[in-house]
Order: sequence, then C-alpha cells, then structure tokens
Amino acid sequence: AQKITQTQPGMFVQEKEAVTLDCTYDTSDQSYGLFWYKQPSSGEMIFLIYQGSYDEQNATEGRYSLNFQKARKSANLVISASQLGDSAMYFCAMREVTTSGTYKYIFGTGTRLKVLA
Amino acid sequence: NAGVTQTPKFQVLKTGQSMTLQCAQDMNHEYMSWYRQDPGMGLRLIHYSVGAGITDQGEVPNGYNVSRSTTEDFPLRLLSAAPSQTSVYFCASSSRDRLPGELFFGEGSRLTVL
Repeated sequence: AQKITQTQPGMFVQEKEAVTLDCTYDTSDQSYGLFWYKQPSSGEMIFLIYQGSYDEQNATEGRYSLNFQKARKSANLVISASQLGDSAMYFCAMREVTTSGTYKYIFGTGTRLKVLA
Repeated sequence: NAGVTQTPKFQVLKTGQSMTLQCAQDMNHEYMSWYRQDPGMGLRLIHYSVGAGITDQGEVPNGYNVSRSTTEDFPLRLLSAAPSQTSVYFCASSSRDRLPGELFFGEGSRLTVL
C-alpha cells in the first residue's frame, strides 16, 4: 500500500495564481515529519517546507505553505502567486519510525507542475 | 561546502557487469540513503543507514548491496547489473539533530544498463 499518495500526475496553473498540490499519507505513528521537495528540469532536489506531526500551526516559507489536516492525513502544498520558475516536479515525503526503531524517508510519485504565462 | 557528493554522474554498463556508485557527505549526518527515480514511480528507497555499521533495506533492495563503514561514506553496489536497473540514482543524508532534519541530496547518477 502506498504510504505517500500524490494523486495529481500533472497540473497547470496560470502565472500569478495560487495552486494546491495534494498529498495524503498513511502512518500509525504519532511522531512523523512531512516534507515537500521541488525538482526542476535540471534534476536537483530542493527542500521547500516541513511540517512536524505535533506542529499545531501550518508551516509557511515565503510563497509556500503547507495545509496540514492531521485527522484527514493530508499535507497539501500551496504555492501562492505562481511564477514561471515554479514549473517543476514536486514531491511529498514522510519521515517515519521503522519497526526496528530507526527511521526512514518515503516519497510519493510526484506532481509535475507547469506554470503558464 | 561539498554537501553530498555522488560519483559517477553518468555510467553505461552491460548486463551482468558490476559497479559501485559512490556517495560521500561532509556534514557528519548519521542518516544516509539511496533512492532510484524512474518516470511515474517517484523516488523509491533502496537502502538506508542510521549510522556506521547499520544498514537496512528499503522498498526496492533486490540487486543492490550497501555497507556503512564510516559516517561519511555509503556506497551502493550493483553485483550483476540488469536492464531493469537503468535509472537515476540519488544519495541523500540527514541529521535529526539539525531541525527539521530534511534530506540533503546529491546531484544524482544516471545509470544505463544495456
């Protein structure tokens, strides 16, 4: 079963508009972390934003915000005032505790965002 | 600031050949991991390590070996390459002592198996 689900393979958004990229996760742990990464066409992975499971406020970083709904197990990324440079692949990831007491990071399949001029 | 360094960046192998992808980090991160990225599949975890001498399997470990003899290095070995291992490979590291503990990635290694 997918632990991180990103149901939107591709999205389009008009420049200067806001866009929401969906992410749902599956865990029975109480303590976990949620991350969003951006991968431009050049291939590097860029960390955008983090939300801890115990954080009561939604995380924000500049034009990025995370709409965290714990009961629904969703951690959607909101990009405000989209720019052409936001065109990229976006990945949602979760850090979870393993059965052996260590931890690991699991990624979703990604959403490719295209910003239109 | 080197961060996470992967070598080689590109490699072409024939089926059955072996090779090692190197990964080194200079941030004293306890956690290191390897992912493969394939179209439509996202990043899938191959192996990970939470410290020297400790390794564990991820989602797709078959056909790959790892070892962690030092904090800095985490090589990924393909013992007998198969065309299904054609992919882009990423090494990533993190530290839970440095909040929020995000993964730092290498630039990726593109492997083609003929």
